[in-house]
Amino acid sequence: RKEVEQDPGPFNVPEGATVAFNCTYSNSASQSFFWYRQDCRKEPKLLMSVYSSGNEDGRFTAQLNRASQYISLLIRDSKLSDSATYLCAVLNDYKLSFGAGTTVTVRA
Amino acid sequence: EAGVVQSPRYKIIEKKQPVAFWCNPISGHNTLYWYRQNLGQGPELLIRYENEEAVDDSQLPKDRFSAERLKGVDSTLKIQPAELGDSAVYLCASSPSNPTDGYTFGSGTRLTVV
Repeated sequence: RKEVEQDPGPFNVPEGATVAFNCTYSNSASQSFFWYRQDCRKEPKLLMSVYSSGNEDGRFTAQLNRASQYISLLIRDSKLSDSATYLCAVLNDYKLSFGAGTTVTVRA
Repeated sequence: EAGVVQSPRYKIIEKKQPVAFWCNPISGHNTLYWYRQNLGQGPELLIRYENEEAVDDSQLPKDRFSAERLKGVDSTLKIQPAELGDSAVYLCASSPSNPTDGYTFGSGTRLTVV
């Protein structure tokens, strides 16, 4: 079983829609959680950390469910510029493990 | 603040040839990572350095891959000889010793082995 698993999508949504997707992790002792955004042929860039109580950053909301070992990302009022691959990342003993990414395409 | 700098940006080589990638981390970041990302996959850790010490190289294919970080700052990753399956993007990242805010990645080196 992979350490981090994501629904690969793709999620094709119209502008203004809400899209949400999850990521599961296998190590219950995982310490920290992140969402990275990766544009085509670019490096991953940190989108946001995920905190136990959940957190928002503008139109983005991240949630952590330790009991079920998953994290989620919700994007409200989608913009064309949100089109990207979103990588879930989990930190264990200073090592960051990534999922394969969820592709989101926002259409006009 | 300069980010993580990698070079070259692209590299095309024939199989069995050697290749080397270079990385300069963010100033003050003690920890440096080399990741490999295959098409359609997430990055996978090859090696992690704390200053000049390789503290986790368990995923580095040691028969053909080597890495060094001699002065605890910049680093090189080498493949010799390269195989077709080594075609991927090689990403360098850095962080403070306790990476509670995640890592910062460089722009990567896209390697194509033909």
